[in-house]
Amino acid sequence: GAGVSQTPSNKVTEKGKYVELRCDPISGHTALYWYRQSLGQGPEFLIYFQGTGAADDSGLPNDRFFAVRPEGSVSTLKIQRTERGDSAVYLCASSSYPRGKDEQFFGPGTRLTVL
Amino acid sequence: QQQVKQSPQSLIVQKGGISIINCAYENTAFDYFPWYQQFPGKGPALLIAIRPDVSEKKEGRFTISFNKSAKQFSLHIMDSQPGDSATYFCAASQETSGSRLTFGEGTQLTVNP
Repeated sequence: GAGVSQTPSNKVTEKGKYVELRCDPISGHTALYWYRQSLGQGPEFLIYFQGTGAADDSGLPNDRFFAVRPEGSVSTLKIQRTERGDSAVYLCASSSYPRGKDEQFFGPGTRLTVL
Repeated sequence: QQQVKQSPQSLIVQKGGISIINCAYENTAFDYFPWYQQFPGKGPALLIAIRPDVSEKKEGRFTISFNKSAKQFSLHIMDSQPGDSATYFCAASQETSGSRLTFGEGTQLTVNP
C-alpha cells in the first residue's frame, strides 16, 4: 500500500502568517508522530498521537504550535504567527500499535520557509 | 540535553571499504536502537535496529554492534557502495515514552567509486 504522505511538499510563508501542514499515515496505523528537522540536524520530536488523542505533546516548542487528529487517521500540524526560526522540514511518521510499534515509517516531509 | 551523540559528522570511504559510525546514549531506559538512512529530499528510512538484550545484529551488509555497559552502539557497513552515500542517523526510544525517537546529529557518508 501507499506510504506516509505529506502535503504540501514545500510551503513558503511570511513572518506572522498561519500555516497548516497535513499528514496522511499508512492505512491502519494508529500511532502518528510529528518531528522537526533543521538543516544539518537529526529530527526532533514534537508530538505523538495514539488514535485521536495527543498522548505526548512535550516536544512542541511553544503554544504557537498545535496538532490535531480528529478521526484517528489524517493529522494536521498548525503553526500560528510563524517566525523565521520555524523554518525547517516537518516530518510525519506512523507505526502500527501494538505490533510493529517500534518501526516508524516516515513521510517525505514538508519544507517550511518563513521569510 | 543531547541524549544521543553521534560521530563522526562526516565520513568518506572508498568503494568496497568498511564504514563505521558510532553513537553513545545517556538514558538507560532506552530499549530500542534503530539506524535510519536519509537521502536528500526524502524522509528517514529504517535500515536496521537492535534491542539491548543482544550484542550484535546483522542484516546483509549492515551490522549493529551494541555495548550496554558502555552505553554505545555502532553501525558497520561492509563492502560500502556509492549507492550507500547518504546521511545516517542513530536513534533511541523507550516503550514507556510512546516509542518516540531521539535522534543523533547524523553522519554524512560519501562512498567514492
